[in-house]
Amino acid sequence: AQSVAQPEDQVNVAEGNPLTVKCTYSVSGNPYLFWYVQYPNRGLQFLLKYITGDNLVKGSYGFEAEFNKSQTSFHLKKPSALVSDSALYFCAVRDSSGGSYIPTFGRGTSLIVHP
Amino acid sequence: NAGVTQTPKFQVLKTGQSMTLQCAQDMNHNSMYWYRQDPGMGLRLIYYSASEGTTDKGEVPNGYNVSRLNKREFSLRLESAAPSQTSVYFCASSPRGDRDGYTFGSGTRLTVV
Repeated sequence: AQSVAQPEDQVNVAEGNPLTVKCTYSVSGNPYLFWYVQYPNRGLQFLLKYITGDNLVKGSYGFEAEFNKSQTSFHLKKPSALVSDSALYFCAVRDSSGGSYIPTFGRGTSLIVHP
Repeated sequence: NAGVTQTPKFQVLKTGQSMTLQCAQDMNHNSMYWYRQDPGMGLRLIYYSASEGTTDKGEVPNGYNVSRLNKREFSLRLESAAPSQTSVYFCASSPRGDRDGYTFGSGTRLTVV
């Protein structure tokens, strides 16, 4: 079975400060991991993925995420937050050894960047 | 490129009415998906189509049917709408599976009264 948790419903950060949005997962085999962002009244947009290789993954809009196998985490980070980064962020995971290729999405974390 | 186009954007139905949500993609993607998004629940998969001619149930298929009309189009039908189906519905597509991520439409906000 595969599962994903986003332990924070909301993250608040001041503009210019670094931000972290947390994600932990559980799979039987190796994980495929994804981050998506949803702006108000819009669909989700793909940010980045980890399939294999380098543990630090760089994605769109200056975001990056670090895969940590020992801690089963895939936290989303950005060195300097912008007010325009305020949105809902979703982590997703799929067990690469599972029979289904459908990922499980987390419940989302609302990021609020204050001016 | 339009990407994934969903129609309508908003709809209000009375309990028991039927309707079809339309989805079309112009990226030549093989796989298409229907999700619903409810507050605090994240995204839940209703149905998906791995390739043209195939459809499979997701996590919450009850009360819904789908049709993969051709490679571009994947429709979702509510035969007898219920208030529990009030939600925001998203269609998504991917080249094949999820390795390249999904492209989502902008959603249909459905209210059943």
